[in-house]
Amino acid sequence: DVKVTQSSRYLVKRTGEKVFLECVQDMDHENMFWYRQDPGLGLRLIYFSYDVKMKEKGDIPEGYSVSREKKERFSLILESASTNQTSMYLCASSSGSMQETQYFGPGTRLLVL
Amino acid sequence: DAKTTQPTSMDCAEGRAANLPCNHSTISGNEYVYWYRQIHSQGPQYIIHGLKNNETNEMASLIITEDRKSSTLILPHATLRDTAVYYCIVRVVWSGGSNYKLTFGKGTLLTVNP
Repeated sequence: DVKVTQSSRYLVKRTGEKVFLECVQDMDHENMFWYRQDPGLGLRLIYFSYDVKMKEKGDIPEGYSVSREKKERFSLILESASTNQTSMYLCASSSGSMQETQYFGPGTRLLVL
Repeated sequence: DAKTTQPTSMDCAEGRAANLPCNHSTISGNEYVYWYRQIHSQGPQYIIHGLKNNETNEMASLIITEDRKSSTLILPHATLRDTAVYYCIVRVVWSGGSNYKLTFGKGTLLTVNP
């Protein structure tokens, strides 16, 4: 079974803090994705990576950065957290082509005060 | 990706089969039908996908009509833990394209009752 894990299920941070969200997959998948999910807005892609050290912007990259130093790990960084970044953050991974089935982690619910 | 239409909500009795419909009348020949579900406050869970043949795995069965304009996800013996929002999406799956991001519609809230 594909296993995607995220470092925290719930996180509370203050405005201006630097926030790290970690995602690890154990299936040797090439591709990893970060989404955020908000009521009424659905899933929105923040960043994705198709190889180690490679990254591409998704639809809403502003205020975020990512790091992929190892194949199994993809980190999302909020450089200076703001209240509008309060959301559910979802990591996903897939093998082979970018269009293959994506498997999601449990999600991190982030509250920025 | 083709647009899909699903009922907003459905109820099912525990132990009975849950049949979740999805219309995708504008589906094109290279688009697959995918199903995910999301239990409250958890990440989406992949269930099954198919192109034109019916598919079955340990979680569910997927029945796609011959004209591919609609499909039905079947959970053969629903349990309380199957209460979730079920998303039907259609997407191209082939190498080299740029259609990689997932977008979910509103989905169907399936409530399994004791």
